Amino acid sequence: AQKITQTQPGMFVQEKEAVTLDCTYDTSDQSYGLFWYKQPSSGEMIFLIYQGSYDEQNATEGRYSLNFQKARKSANLVISASQLGDSAMYFCAMREGPQGGSEKLVFGKGTKLTVNP
Amino acid sequence: DTGVSQDPRHKITKRGQNVTFRCDPISEHNRLYWYRQTLGQGPEFLTYFQNEAQLEKSRLLSDRFSAERPKGSFSTLEIQRTEQGDSAMYLCASSHLPGTAYGYTFGSGTRLTVV
Repeated sequence: AQKITQTQPGMFVQEKEAVTLDCTYDTSDQSYGLFWYKQPSSGEMIFLIYQGSYDEQNATEGRYSLNFQKARKSANLVISASQLGDSAMYFCAMREGPQGGSEKLVFGKGTKLTVNP
Repeated sequence: DTGVSQDPRHKITKRGQNVTFRCDPISEHNRLYWYRQTLGQGPEFLTYFQNEAQLEKSRLLSDRFSAERPKGSFSTLEIQRTEQGDSAMYLCASSHLPGTAYGYTFGSGTRLTVV
């Protein structure tokens, strides 16, 4: 079973508008972490935002915010005031594995965001 | 500190040849991860080192793959007798405190094409 599901293969948004990228996850752990990464065509994975499972407030980092709904197991990324440079692949990931152990990341399949001028 | 470095950035090889990739993590990071990313997919975990010890390997890591991290610094990933299915981006990441928000730093990857 997929642990991270991103149901939107592609999304389009007009410059300066907001966009929401969906992510749902599956875990039976009480302690976990959720990440969003941006991957431009150059290939590097750029960290955007993190939400811990015990964090009560939704995470925000500049134009990025994470809409964390724990009961629904969703962790959607909201990008406000989209810019042309936001065009890229976006991956949702969950930290799994024992604390103090590998704590590897499990990724979704990604959403390709295109920002139109 | 220049982040995580991977070399080479691109590699084209003929089927059946051996290839080796290198990853230089952030110097104070004791954990190092290798991931593989095929076209249209998210990265998949391959293996993990804590210092020089390889503590976990994915079932994706067949016998043709071997990874090392001598002295707990840089790491190498070798693929023997490459197959076309090995064509992918190989990403390295390092971390010091993976449970925190800024725990993971990725390199730019090595893109392997097997012809």
